Formats: sequence, structure tokens, C-alpha cells
Amino acid sequence: EAGVTQFPSHSVIEKGQTVTLRCDPISGHDNLYWYRRVMGKEIKFLLHFVKESKQDESGMPNNRFLAERTGGTYSTLKVQPAELEDSGVYFCASSQDRDRMYEQYFGPGTRLTVT
Amino acid sequence: AQSVTQLGSHVSVSEGALVLLRCNYSSSVPPYLFWYVQYPNQGLQLLLKYTSAATLVKGINGFEAEFKKSETSFHLTKPSAHMSDAAEYFCAVNKAAGNKLTFGGGTRVLVKP
Repeated sequence: EAGVTQFPSHSVIEKGQTVTLRCDPISGHDNLYWYRRVMGKEIKFLLHFVKESKQDESGMPNNRFLAERTGGTYSTLKVQPAELEDSGVYFCASSQDRDRMYEQYFGPGTRLTVT
Repeated sequence: AQSVTQLGSHVSVSEGALVLLRCNYSSSVPPYLFWYVQYPNQGLQLLLKYTSAATLVKGINGFEAEFKKSETSFHLTKPSAHMSDAAEYFCAVNKAAGNKLTFGGGTRVLVKP
């Protein structure tokens, strides 16, 4: 079974540009989460999808961040326009529904550098 | 609000020695607790989890953790460190299945030969 995949693995962009990160969850997982780790800080929650609906987006930093999950499969996280403080590693995780919801499986992350 | 504190951002142990990583949490409700490990250039991998069953939880690669409600702790241990244990370890909590995880700051483990 394929794990959670994320693309790209690294992205270097200039301040003011747009970047789109993609996450493909494990097949059949209804729950999809985005997290971010800024250098030197803890991993922080951004948002949670259940299928295509946003269940919790309390961690989204501001309206420069837009997450979508059309069709309840893969998800994208767009940052527009990017700022220097957006640099960090963006992790995606997924979990099954019902009894296994507590076990979140993480992808390898996308390292975003804004210069 | 939940929070997680990991004591020590870096820990150095000798090969064969005990590994002890400390995690304390605060939660207004009985929590679910997790330890994740991140090896270099890889994603986070679940080591073990506490979900209100046995308080002593055994995980992969010889690790175990004990949930102590009175101390609000969930420390991670391994009796004998291997070189392959060099990684960063994260303690995390959530208050219900399916909820967001709240992470500690991480502890990077260095294993000396």
C-alpha cells in the first residue's frame, strides 16, 4: 500500500510569488491534515479535511493560504503571495474513518524556502 | 487548550545505553498520546500510541512509553540504544480521535559509538 505522498519535495521561490503544494493521502483515507514546521519551532496544525469538506481550519495563518480537496482525494495548499515567514516544512497526514481515526500517517513533507 | 513539552531539544546517548525522552502534556480531557520519529530525509513515522487502554505501551524498534496521569507524563524509553536510533522524536497529543495533533518541540537524539 502506498503511503502519503507530497510534491514537490523542495521548493525555492521568491517573496511575492505563488507556490502550490500537493498531497496525495493513502487511498481510502477520508481525513487529510496539513501541518507546518517553521525552523526551530514545533510542528503546528494548519487544517483538517473530512473528504472534501474543511472540518477545522483554525490553524491557517492568514488568507494568503488556500487549501482545497476537490473530490475528496488529493489536496493542494496554495500560498499566494509568499512571504519570508512562510518558509518551513509542510507536512500532510491522512487517517481512516471510524475506529482508526486517531492514527495519522504522515508524508515526507515539502520544504519551502522563500527568499 | 492542549500543550506538549519535551524536555531537552537534543539528547546524546552512547550505543547500548538507556534512551529516555521526556514528554509532559496538559489537556482538559483524557488525551490520546503519541510518539513519532523522523529519520533523516524521511517523514514522521508513528512509534507508539496511548488510547486509554494499557498504560504501558510498546511500540516499534524496542521503544515503549508509560502513561502516568498523576504526572501528566508520557516518557519514551528504550533499554539499549542502537546507532539506527539517531533521529528526531516528537511527542504529540489530541483530545479525540480524528482531531488535530498538538506536538512538542521535538528531541533530536545523537547516538555515540
